[in-house]
Amino acid sequence: EAGVAQSPRYKIIEKRQSVAFWCNPISGHATLYWYQQILGQGPKLLIQFQNNGVVDDSQLPKDRFSAERLKGVDSTLKIQPAKLEDSAVYLCASSLGIGVGETQYFGPGTRLLVL
Amino acid sequence: DQQVKQNSPSLSVQEGRISILNCDYTNSMFDYFLWYKKYPAEGPTFLISISSIKDKNEDGRFTVFLNKSAKHLSLHIVPSQPGDSAVYFCAASGTSGTYKYIFGTGTRLKVLA
Repeated sequence: EAGVAQSPRYKIIEKRQSVAFWCNPISGHATLYWYQQILGQGPKLLIQFQNNGVVDDSQLPKDRFSAERLKGVDSTLKIQPAKLEDSAVYLCASSLGIGVGETQYFGPGTRLLVL
Repeated sequence: DQQVKQNSPSLSVQEGRISILNCDYTNSMFDYFLWYKKYPAEGPTFLISISSIKDKNEDGRFTVFLNKSAKHLSLHIVPSQPGDSAVYFCAASGTSGTYKYIFGTGTRLKVLA
């Protein structure tokens, strides 16, 4: 079974530029998550989708971050404009559904460096 | 406000000995707890979980203990192997709403051969 795919793996941009990340979850997984992991910290949930609807985006900085999952399968996360503090690893995860015991499976992440 | 805390950033253990990783939480609404393992340049991988109705869950060399009154959980690895060297994150979740995970800051385990 293929895992969660993410691209690109690495990205370097100047501050104020825009960037987009792509995620393809495990086939059949209805729930998709985007996390931000800053160096030395644990992953922090940015947004959670159930199919193509948003379940939780309470920690997404909506003035600069946006995410979509139009067909309920793959998803993109965009930052526009980027700030220095956005340098982090962006992790995508998916799970079969929502509920206790629903294991989240993570992709390898996209490492973003904002200069 | 860090609701899930891993106060030891790193731990070194000799191969064959026991590794004990600790995690504390502050939110009494958390009812489900997990441990993830992360190797460099890879995403976190699920290791083991425990529900608040239990105080212990075992899977091979890995055992998680939960002390609800102390709001504390620990992961025991026995015996430790060099391949266990990784960063370990504990995470907590409620049993209603969005069930989202709150992660700790991680503990880097190094198992010495």
